[in-house]
Amino acid sequence: EAGVAQSPRYKIIEKRQSVAFWCNPISGHATLYWYQQILGQGPKLLIQFQNNGVVDDSQLPKDRFSAERLKGVDSTLKIQPAKLEDSAVYLCASSPAQGPHRETQYFGPGTRLLVL
Amino acid sequence: AQTVTQSQPEMSVQEAETVTLSCTYDTSESNYYLFWYKQPPSRQMILVIRQEAYKQQNATENRFSVNFQKAAKSFSLKISDSQLGDTAMYFCALDNNNDMRFGAGTRLTVKP
Repeated sequence: EAGVAQSPRYKIIEKRQSVAFWCNPISGHATLYWYQQILGQGPKLLIQFQNNGVVDDSQLPKDRFSAERLKGVDSTLKIQPAKLEDSAVYLCASSPAQGPHRETQYFGPGTRLLVL
Repeated sequence: AQTVTQSQPEMSVQEAETVTLSCTYDTSESNYYLFWYKQPPSRQMILVIRQEAYKQQNATENRFSVNFQKAAKSFSLKISDSQLGDTAMYFCALDNNNDMRFGAGTRLTVKP
């Protein structure tokens, strides 16, 4: 079973530029999550999708961050314009949403973003 | 609001010894899930062990076990027979109705 895929793995941009991250969850997983992990901290949930609908985006800075999951599979997270404090690892995770371990999240390798 | 606290930023243990990582949490709900995730250096986060709050029995996975004290809102992780490959950041997490909160993590180093 293939794991959660993310790209790119690394990205360096200048402040005020735009950037987009891509995530492909585990096949069949209905729920997809985007997290921001700042160095030295635990992951913070940005947005959660159930299929192609948003379940929770209460911690997403909507003035600059946006995310979509149009066909209920892949997802993209965009930052426009980026700020220095957006430097972090962006983690994507997915969970089955059904079955005995439906709440267990499986994480991708993350995208490390550096904003200069 | 849900919070997760890991009071030990760093810990170390000798190979083959036992170590316990602490975690306390706060939630007003009675039904929730607790997790320990491991994040090795430059590698992705993987699940170590999970506990359902309505189950009184402590979860175990091979060398990993938890001490779940629901009344005290405590969820510690015990690693027995520590191995060099256990060196990683360990995150405690609380999931209540799909609202997932992580602690700040404990950096564990296993020394040969």
